[in-house]
Amino acid sequence: DTEVTQTPKHLVMGMTNKKSLKCEQHMGHRAMYWYKQKAKKPPELMFVYSYEKLSINESVPSRFSPECPNSSLLNLHLHALQPEDSALYLCASSPGLGGDEQFFGPGTRLTVL
Amino acid sequence: GQNIDQPTEMTATEGAIVQINCTYQTSGFNGLFWYQQHAGEAPTFLSYNVLDGLEEKGRFSSFLSRSKGYSYLLLKELQMKDSASYLCAVRKTGGFKTIFGAGTRLFVKA
Repeated sequence: DTEVTQTPKHLVMGMTNKKSLKCEQHMGHRAMYWYKQKAKKPPELMFVYSYEKLSINESVPSRFSPECPNSSLLNLHLHALQPEDSALYLCASSPGLGGDEQFFGPGTRLTVL
Repeated sequence: GQNIDQPTEMTATEGAIVQINCTYQTSGFNGLFWYQQHAGEAPTFLSYNVLDGLEEKGRFSSFLSRSKGYSYLLLKELQMKDSASYLCAVRKTGGFKTIFGAGTRLFVKA
């Protein structure tokens, strides 16, 4: 299994909803990432988990809450989002430290109404 | 701080060669990646350079000059399917942080 999977593919939610994005990889990678990508913009790093511990939080608002239940899973819990949070949310993983390529999942297209 | 510059758009002809340049300024450089991203899809890895020089992989080659803060991606024998955005990304030392450039949208015409 050489891919990163993400669910759901599309998500529409209201500003008062609570939802979660899920990401899974079975490549034995020890680093996992969440990125946010707006249309025609590059991916922006949100969070990095290394060995299931939060390594980087790029000053992301608390309405986004990451969770890494085990080495294969990464969640992003969403609560009280704003319309400007609408974007493509990409999960990625890499084998570990250093110059490893990141394998990206297909992303979740999020729309906040 | 960090800054990554790439041309916004380029157009090339099927079968031709195109070079996409990337210049960067960053503290703590630990390698440079090139990714391809088709519209509405996830980025896919193309190349990684951490030492100066040219890395060749099939129709794609990537070059790095650390002293000049400069890289390029060379695509040969262009195909229509190469129409995509090409993202230059710099990895910083001390962790997993990778900063992406804005990307270059390449249009391949017949």
